[in-house]
Amino acid sequence: AQSVTQLGSHVSVSEGALVLLRCNYSSSVPPYLFWYVQYPNQGLQLLLKYTSAATLVKGINGFEAEFKKSETSFHLTKPSAHMSDAAEYFCAVSRTGGGNKLTFGTGTQLKVEL
Amino acid sequence: EAGVTQFPSHSVIEKGQTVTLRCDPISGHDNLYWYRRVMGKEIKFLLHFVKESKQDESGMPNNRFLAERTGGTYSTLKVQPAELEDSGVYFCASSQDFVTSGSRTDTQYFGPGTRLTVL
Repeated sequence: AQSVTQLGSHVSVSEGALVLLRCNYSSSVPPYLFWYVQYPNQGLQLLLKYTSAATLVKGINGFEAEFKKSETSFHLTKPSAHMSDAAEYFCAVSRTGGGNKLTFGTGTQLKVEL
Repeated sequence: EAGVTQFPSHSVIEKGQTVTLRCDPISGHDNLYWYRRVMGKEIKFLLHFVKESKQDESGMPNNRFLAERTGGTYSTLKVQPAELEDSGVYFCASSQDFVTSGSRTDTQYFGPGTRLTVL
């Protein structure tokens, strides 16, 4: 079975500050890992994904995440927060080898303050 | 190109009634997924269609839920009869077939969801 834990249901940062959203996973097989973002009244949008290639993955809007197998983590970062980054962020895992159903964490609501 | 669309955006029904949710995937996407998010909890997988066939329905909560994908295009998810615990946001996602995309991690594109409230 696979699972995802997102630490912190709400994170608040100042505009221009570092964004760090934490995600730890559990998987009995090599995982594929994803970060999605949901803006108000919109569907989930893929930010980035890890598929066993480079451990540092760069995504859209300046976000990146690093896969650390030893720590079973896939934390999402952005050097400088912008007001437009305020949204809910979801970490998800799927099995390698197909099926592709996603197992999500509970989500982290990011608030960006002036 | 149009994204994944879902109808209705909101639905409020009484316990015991029937509701049908519809999802229109991106044109040409063979894979269609349904997920649900109950308030305050994680988004959970319900089922996966490949074209018109159910590939995996391990997440369907019980037999009050019926999903169909006639002709391999749009899909419907019917809840009959609805119970209070069925309230939540129902998401649909679609992705290309694995052969076309060349990847078994082809991106799932999500719709905006249908917010279902059962009173």
